[in-house]
Amino acid sequence: QSALTQPASVSGSPGQSITISCTATSSDVGAYNYVSWYQHHPGKTPKLMIYDVTNRPSGVSNRFSGSKSGNTASLTISGLQAEDEADYFCSSYTSGSSLYVFGTGTKVTVL
Amino acid sequence: VELVESGGRLVQPGGSLRLSCAASGFTFNTEGMNWVRQTPGKGLEWLSYISTSSTTIYYADSVTGRFTISRDNGKNSLFLQMNSLRDEDSAVYYCARDTSNRGYYAMDVWGQGTTVTVSS
Repeated sequence: QSALTQPASVSGSPGQSITISCTATSSDVGAYNYVSWYQHHPGKTPKLMIYDVTNRPSGVSNRFSGSKSGNTASLTISGLQAEDEADYFCSSYTSGSSLYVFGTGTKVTVL
Repeated sequence: VELVESGGRLVQPGGSLRLSCAASGFTFNTEGMNWVRQTPGKGLEWLSYISTSSTTIYYADSVTGRFTISRDNGKNSLFLQMNSLRDEDSAVYYCARDTSNRGYYAMDVWGQGTTVTVSS
């Protein structure tokens, strides 16, 4: 199962909005509304930020939002803050012999 | 709610290792579980899933036939038996709670990870 494609890095200034894309070469992302996003600060535990494309778990800031169009899902961070600097990974449910596939990861830098 | 992995260490290529994950703070036997790894400088890779009663198991192609996932609900523990280890299996290994029993596909609780290094 091929990984989902994300940009290697995205940057923005405090207060700005940035968007991270997550594109599938197969029909994983497009076929299911089971895309999730994870924030990972190096050395810490990954944190679920978005599930089912658009839903935020309790406790996650509403500055984080998700969307999907065709085979591409997106995570938008609004009002960028220094604490948002981290690695972000998308993931999708996939049918067949596997269950999940992760994206290649995006490093977000707050300038 | 907490997951604590253990068992990671330095092992030679071709060797075996068994990772453990101790769960607490939730009803372990009602939740599916996953193993995920992160290789140095690279991204996350999903490895395996096991259902609540161990009746449904999935593996990534990269570990099929070499790794075996299992669980002991009586001891609130998850395991990953890794055989025929290769250099490219060097990574931080995480256990993660699955949400599929709650109607959506994601991993909502993660452990802090245990490091496996495969090297001669």
